[in-house]
Amino acid sequence: DTAVSQTPKYLVTQMGNDKSIKCEQNLGHDTMYWYKQDSKKFLKIMFSYNNKELIINETVPNRFSPKSPDKAHLNLHINSLELGDSAVYFCASSQDVLGVGELFFGEGSRLTVL
Amino acid sequence: QQQVKQSPQSLIVQKGGISIINCAYENTAFDYFPWYQQFPGKGPALLIAIRPDVSEKKEGRFTISFNKSAKQFSLHIMDSQPGDSATYFCAANNFNKFYFGSGTKLNVKP
Repeated sequence: DTAVSQTPKYLVTQMGNDKSIKCEQNLGHDTMYWYKQDSKKFLKIMFSYNNKELIINETVPNRFSPKSPDKAHLNLHINSLELGDSAVYFCASSQDVLGVGELFFGEGSRLTVL
Repeated sequence: QQQVKQSPQSLIVQKGGISIINCAYENTAFDYFPWYQQFPGKGPALLIAIRPDVSEKKEGRFTISFNKSAKQFSLHIMDSQPGDSATYFCAANNFNKFYFGSGTKLNVKP
């Protein structure tokens, strides 16, 4: 039973389209994250939610909008996709709101914008 | 501006050898330093972590050495195995924000 699951695993779309990635965790964690991993493997935090409340919003374009319907789910919606949005997006969760606990990552969603 | 600098970018080690990956940071507010291991097509997974109040932590073949005054920490993999071939990320944490290094691709040759 997968701890942090993301769908879809692969996403290929045209510039200007809108797409969503869904994430669910069954670990009972209070904090969830979205990370972006670029082509050089660099991992950068985008957002963090604690109990459905946004607590970290790094300098991410407004085209990216996270939504957390409950503490087990954190979805990412991207409007007007651009070429530079091509990356692997990782959802993660942790128990400790201060972040000193382990981050559990999903397997990633590879987004390709053509 | 990269908060955590990691080197080398890639590393080739013979089976049985020692793999060493280094990281440096500037922000003295960081209080938790994990290492993550990532296999192709998978998400990163926690390997080992250390707090700044200790200078070394060992778990099996994996050791973190931490130098608080130099603001550096490193991962040592003893008796490296082909199964250790993966990308390794160091990270530093401050109030729920994890800052990751740029990754080191390790290739352990049989």
